[in-house]
Amino acid sequence: AQSVSQHNHHVILSEAASLELGCNYSYGGTVNLFWYVQYPGQHLQLLLKYFSGDPLVKGIKGFEAEFIKSKFSFNLRKPSVQWSDTAEYFCAVTGGGNKLTFGTGTQLKVEL
Amino acid sequence: NAGVTQTPKFQVLKTGQSMTLQCAQDMNHEYMSWYRQDPGMGLRLIHYSVGAGITDQGEVPNGYNVSRSTTEDFPLRLLSAAPSQTSVYFCASSQRSSYNEQFFGPGTRLTVL
Repeated sequence: AQSVSQHNHHVILSEAASLELGCNYSYGGTVNLFWYVQYPGQHLQLLLKYFSGDPLVKGIKGFEAEFIKSKFSFNLRKPSVQWSDTAEYFCAVTGGGNKLTFGTGTQLKVEL
Repeated sequence: NAGVTQTPKFQVLKTGQSMTLQCAQDMNHEYMSWYRQDPGMGLRLIHYSVGAGITDQGEVPNGYNVSRSTTEDFPLRLLSAAPSQTSVYFCASSQRSSYNEQFFGPGTRLTVL
């Protein structure tokens, strides 16, 4: 069975600080990896995804993530966060089918 | 396109009551699923469907029932509500391949007293 670990549960940053959220997964086969974001009071939206090719993927709003197969990791990064990035971030993985397995999420608060 | 729609947005039930959470999508997606979101636990898969007439259990199926009579609709039934089912429920849909983005509905916030 696949599983996802997000080690940072709550992160507080000042505007313009750099962001890196950790994500590690466990699965024995080929995986597809996703980062979703949930802004306060809204539903989940896709930030970016990786399924093949260049392990450095770029998403919306200046986010990027790097797939490191040897470390089973897919960390999310942003060079300079904004107050509007305050949200909950979820890493997720699919294996052989469509079943998404989510991590427990990271609450990011960006202070002015 | 309306995308994925869910009704109701909020619901309060008493223990033992039953109800159906509605989910519909207009994107002709084969795959649909239900998740529950609880603080500190992320989203957990309840049931899913890979097409009309086909459903299967996810990680936390107990106390819930689903059916998929059409491609568009995927209702979730709570048979006898319990306080442990207080949660936010999200429906999602996607095309069938595992690398496809899943589109989420706005959620239903359910409280069971």
